[in-house]
Formats: sequence, structure tokens, C-alpha cells
Amino acid sequence: GAGVSQSPSNKVTEKGKDVELRCDPISGHTALYWYRQSLGQGLEFLIYFQGNSAPDKSGLPSDRFSAERTGGSVSTLTIQRTQQEDSAVYLCASSLTAGGVGTDTQYFGPGTRLTVL
Amino acid sequence: LAKTTQPISMDSYEGQEVNITCSHNNIATNDYITWYQQFPSQGPRFIIQGYKTKVTNEVASLFIPADRKSSTLSLPRVSLSDTAVYYCLVGEEGNNRLAFGKGNQVVVIP
Repeated sequence: GAGVSQSPSNKVTEKGKDVELRCDPISGHTALYWYRQSLGQGLEFLIYFQGNSAPDKSGLPSDRFSAERTGGSVSTLTIQRTQQEDSAVYLCASSLTAGGVGTDTQYFGPGTRLTVL
Repeated sequence: LAKTTQPISMDSYEGQEVNITCSHNNIATNDYITWYQQFPSQGPRFIIQGYKTKVTNEVASLFIPADRKSSTLSLPRVSLSDTAVYYCLVGEEGNNRLAFGKGNQVVVIP
């Protein structure tokens, strides 16, 4: 079946511009996660959506970052006024349920590589 | 926050067994331990998950001592295609933030 998809796969932008990154989770998955991975680094948790509950935004690095999940499915991560330090791979994952944190297998997309010039 | 600590990197020869240990001293009662594998330019993928004692699947084994303050991922007879970064993940009770370790770069040498 179809896995998690992300678009675009690569994005190059100029400093100060806004960007939108899209994630299509696996159909039926109620939980959706965004992570950031800088070159040679581990995964940095950004935000988590569970069903229709209010998302946990506490991992977002600044107020320039925001995310939405419409209709409990597709999610968009928006970065306003991009800075060079925002350059990274942004990974999205989904899981079937998240009744117990850490107990559900997360299925990751291929990521969006963002380069801010 | 339940943090995890892993060695940064390790090399191994083809055919050997590789053991990677993760420390998670502040693991909560309801937390599970999950390991992921990440190849270059790809998102991580699930390997194995456990709560206590030993779990085995077709890919790996996971050993968790009684105090659950650490876990060891065991990869039997590694091949070159097992070269990847391996992450230890512990769920944080009462908090949806999920903490990946910094990962362990395993390089399999011919």
C-alpha cells in the first residue's frame, strides 16, 4: 500500500521567504509527526497531531514555525521568514494510533530537503 | 524527559553479530523502547520494539534488563546493507514529545 508521502522532495529558497511543506500520511493513521534533521544530526521532534486533538507544538523551534492538519489527514508545515539555520531535512511520520506514547510504529516519509540560501 | 544515550559510531565486519546499547535511565513505567534504522537520504524505519526481557523478530533481537534503564539491539550476522544509523526511541509518559537518541552509525566492513 501507499506509504507516507512528502512534497516537495527538495526546496531551495532565499532567506526571508516563506515555505510550505506537505505531508500525506498513510490512510487511516490518526497520529502525525513532524521532525527536523540537520546534516549529520539526529531527529529533532517538532510537532505531533493526534486525531482531532489540539497538537503539541512545544517542539517548534520558534514562532516562525507552524503546522496544520486538515480533516485529520494531510498536514502542512509552514516556515515563515526562513533563515539559513532552517536548512535541514524535514521528516513526516504517521502511526495508526497513539494511545500509548512510544508504543506505535511510526512510518516515515522520504523527507523534504530544505535549503535556505 | 526520558533521554537516551548511545555510542556515536561503530564498525563491524560482515557476518559478525553487532550489539548496540542504549541508555535510558529515566524511562517511565508505561514507556516502550523502540529501535529504528535509517539509511542515507531516507526516513527512519521501524526495526523492533519491546517493554522488558527479550524480543526477537526476523531482523533483530532486543534485550532489556529488569530495571529497563538500558536496552541492547542485536543484529545477527550483519551484511554491508546493514550499514545505517540506528536510533533508540523511548516514549515519554504523559507527554507526546518523542525523544530519539542521537543515533549510532554502524559501518559494516567487507
